[in-house]
Amino acid sequence: LAKTTQPISMDSYEGQEVNITCSHNNIATNDYITWYQQFPSQGPRFIIQGYKTKVTNEVASLFIPADRKSSTLSLPRVSLSDTAVYYCLVGSLSSNTGKLIFGQGTTLQVKP
Amino acid sequence: NAGVTQTPKFRVLKTGQSMTLLCAQDMNHEYMYWYRQDPGMGLRLIHYSVGEGTTAKGEVPDGYNVSRLKKQNFLLGLESAAPSQTSVYFCASSRRDSPTETQYFGPGTRLLVL
Repeated sequence: LAKTTQPISMDSYEGQEVNITCSHNNIATNDYITWYQQFPSQGPRFIIQGYKTKVTNEVASLFIPADRKSSTLSLPRVSLSDTAVYYCLVGSLSSNTGKLIFGQGTTLQVKP
Repeated sequence: NAGVTQTPKFRVLKTGQSMTLLCAQDMNHEYMYWYRQDPGMGLRLIHYSVGEGTTAKGEVPDGYNVSRLKKQNFLLGLESAAPSQTSVYFCASSRRDSPTETQYFGPGTRLLVL
C-alpha cells in the first residue's frame, strides 16, 4: 500500500523560504500530488496540486522530480500566519488505485 | 454559499451510545468523504461516497456506518461508541474531476467517548 512520509515538524523565521518534502515511493502512474494547509480547530484547505515538474500559484510552489517519488512544497517569505500543519496527499478516488493517502502532516512554526 | 458544514461541532458520548454526524455541502459535489484525525496519525479515510445512494469503505471503516440518501448530505453513524472513537471527524466534498479531485473540508466535529 502506498505510503507518504513527511517531517513531523519544522521551524522557520519570518521572511525565510520554507521547503517541506513529502516522500511517496509507491505513487501510481496517474496519481496527482496535493498539498493542504490546516490551522488549529479548522478543516484542511487546498494549497497547490501537481503531477510533475513545477507548479506555482499565488501562495506556493510545488516541485516534483522526474521519478515522482517525492515532492517539495515551497513557501516563499513565510509570515507568522503561515504557522500551520501541512499535509501532502497522493492519489484520488478516480486514480488507478482509487486510494487516498495522506501524510502525517508537518507542523510548521514560524517565529518572529 | 456555506461550503461544507458539519453538525454538531462537539459531542460527548458514553461508551455504547449511538450518534449520527451530519455533513452537508451546497456545491453540488458528487464525491463526499469522512475522515478522522488523531494526534500523530494525520487524516484517515473512514468511508466515502461517489454519488447519491452509493457508499464505500475507506482505510478505517470498522465501527462506523454511512448513508448518502441525498446528494448534498453524507451521514456518519456510530452504532455503539467506544473510547477508541474519540477523535476529530472531518467531512469533505469534491467534484468528480478525474483524477485531480480538490477536496473542500468542513470545520470538524470533536467527539469524546467516555
